[in-house]
Amino acid sequence: SAVISQKPSRDICQRGTSLTIQCQVDSQVTMMFWYRQQPGQSLTLIATANQGSEATYESGFVIDKFPISRPNLTFSTLTVSNLSPEDSSIYLCSVKRGAPDNEQFFGPGTRLTVL
Amino acid sequence: AQSVSQHNHHVILSEAASLELGCNYSYGGTVNLFWYVQYPGQHLQLLLKYFSGDPLVKGIKGFEAEFIKSKFSFNLRKPSVQWSDTAEYFCAVNAPPGSSASKIIFGSGTRLSIRP
Repeated sequence: SAVISQKPSRDICQRGTSLTIQCQVDSQVTMMFWYRQQPGQSLTLIATANQGSEATYESGFVIDKFPISRPNLTFSTLTVSNLSPEDSSIYLCSVKRGAPDNEQFFGPGTRLTVL
Repeated sequence: AQSVSQHNHHVILSEAASLELGCNYSYGGTVNLFWYVQYPGQHLQLLLKYFSGDPLVKGIKGFEAEFIKSKFSFNLRKPSVQWSDTAEYFCAVNAPPGSSASKIIFGSGTRLSIRP
């Protein structure tokens, strides 16, 4: 398995500000993902964080709103910019090691509340 | 692109009842299938997974799921539920490594409530 930590675990932010979430994995992984889980909803994939290149965003998510960095194989950050109350969610980091192991592991999540 | 459907949004059962949660997926190629559970206030945990081989897979806590390729289904079952099974259950699918679809996509989730 992979042990994933996220910082912060929770935060309360004001409208218009930004929050950067860090994801650290205890071993090198090939793929890292960021998901959002809005209150009472399922998980929605925001983007795939690519090491050394721009992230790949899913439909409905853009780089200006959710800039992502992945400087190496064990670390990634997600920034949620220009916050509004609709951004209140749990943000989860997820990783996969790659073939032949196709299991995906999830971090504990960061609970964001925007006032 | 792949997608996952969970038709039961909220299931309410009494303890010792049998459980079956439906999951259907759409994807034309080889898939890997998962069931995750999220207990109240906790983070996501893997219940079981199907990669290949025996289509009947057994997971933790007495759960099992059956992959029926012809029906594009991967239903979750448990013969006798307990109050502690109260949680949100998510079905998920992804394609094997190397595929452009190799990222987990989740269903909308099924909330399971068990009456003591």
